[in-house]
Amino acid sequence: RKEVEQDPGPFNVPEGATVAFNCTYSNSASQSFFWYRQDCRKEPKLLMSVYSSGNEDGRFTAQLNRASQYISLLIRDSKLSDSATYLCVVGSRTDKLIFGTGTRLQVFP
Amino acid sequence: NAGVTQTPKFQVLKTGQSMTLQCAQDMNHNSMYWYRQDPGMGLRLIYYSASEGTTDKGEVPNGYNVSRLNKREFSLRLESAAPSQTSVYFCASSETLPGQPNEKLFFGSGTQLSVL
Repeated sequence: RKEVEQDPGPFNVPEGATVAFNCTYSNSASQSFFWYRQDCRKEPKLLMSVYSSGNEDGRFTAQLNRASQYISLLIRDSKLSDSATYLCVVGSRTDKLIFGTGTRLQVFP
Repeated sequence: NAGVTQTPKFQVLKTGQSMTLQCAQDMNHNSMYWYRQDPGMGLRLIYYSASEGTTDKGEVPNGYNVSRLNKREFSLRLESAAPSQTSVYFCASSETLPGQPNEKLFFGSGTQLSVL
C-alpha cells in the first residue's frame, strides 16, 4: 500500500462545477496535511494546509478525517484557471513529507 | 522577490558525466531540500539540510551528493550520471525544521535533466 494515495484522474469538469478529491494516507501518526497545486511543467505551490477542524479559503475547502485516514479538497465554482494537478502531502514527526502522485483536474468551458 | 532559484533549467548529460545543480533561497529559511519527480510517482526526497553545515539522506540518495554551502545555498551533485537519473529535479526550502508541523515548502522552478 502506498503511503499517500490519490486518484490520478483526470477529472474533467465544466466551468462552474463543484469537484472533490480525496487522498488516503497510511501512517496513523501523521500530523501535517497539505494540498499543493502543480501546473504543467511548473513547480508545486502550496494551495492550503489542512487543519483538524477543516478549513476554507475562498472556493476551496479542505477536510481531514483522522479516523478513516483521508483528507479531501473541494473546489466550488470551478474556473478554467483551476486546471492543474493537485498534490496531497502528508507529514509526521518521524517521516519527511510524503507526496502523493497527484490528481489531475481539467476544467472545460 | 526571487524566492528559490535553481539552475540550470535544462541539462543533457552523457552517461558517466558529472554536474552540479545549484539552488539558492533568499527567504532566510533554515531547511532546504532536493526532490526528484518522475512520471507516475510522487516527488521523492533525495537529500535535505536542516541547517547550515548539516545534510541528511532522504528516500533516494544513491548516486547523489549535496553541499549546504551556507544558509542560502544548497547544491546537488551527480558524480557519474546514469540514465536512471533522468528526471525533473526540484529544490525547496522551508522556514521550519523537517518534521515540524506546518512544514511548508517553497519550490524552485525545476531542472529537467536527461542522461543519455
